[in-house]
Amino acid sequence: GQSLEQPSEVTAVEGAIVQINCTYQTSGFYGLSWYQQHDGGAPTFLSYNALDGLEETGRFSSFLSRSDSYGYLLLQELQMKDSASYFCAAPNGAGNMLTFGGGTRLMVKP
Amino acid sequence: DSGVTQTPKHLITATGQRVTLRCSPRSGDLSVYWYQQSLDQGLQFLIQYYNGEERAKGNILERFSAQQFPDLHSELNLSSLELGDSALYFCASSVGSSGRGEQFFGPGTRLTVL
Repeated sequence: GQSLEQPSEVTAVEGAIVQINCTYQTSGFYGLSWYQQHDGGAPTFLSYNALDGLEETGRFSSFLSRSDSYGYLLLQELQMKDSASYFCAAPNGAGNMLTFGGGTRLMVKP
Repeated sequence: DSGVTQTPKHLITATGQRVTLRCSPRSGDLSVYWYQQSLDQGLQFLIQYYNGEERAKGNILERFSAQQFPDLHSELNLSSLELGDSALYFCASSVGSSGRGEQFFGPGTRLTVL
């Protein structure tokens, strides 16, 4: 089975940088995805790390360390619209079953 | 807008009833995934269909069933509803049988069981 742990809540100030961590325990590991979900909205794909290292997409970056069973999502130049829940997720071997972490609620304050 | 559509947006029903949720994947996507999101259980994978065939099953109750039709739309049937089935139900789609990297989620159906 798979389990992914994230902090339940993070608060940061507009313009700052915030890191959302995800640690996982899996019987097999094939990569880590990140999704954003605004209140009442659908999860939206942000990034996927299949290999160790940093992947950058605009203000968002995602990092993976397989040896530490750990990944994080880094959000820079925070904006009020970044207030949302962020989920890490890991696929099974066939890639057709995603297990999600409990989600981290990010609150961006002015 | 992900291109995935779900109907209805909201559904209110009583315990013991049966409902059907509908999903149309993005144009060209052959895989459909169903997820349940509730406050206490989080976002949980239920089932996946690929080109009409069931490919993966997660924590789906026996009272729940799904199918994917030749036009690739999918339906999730929930029967003998209980209060605990109240949740947001999302459908997602991907091009191939593996949605490892990216899955596109629909807007969801909010089910309330009274």
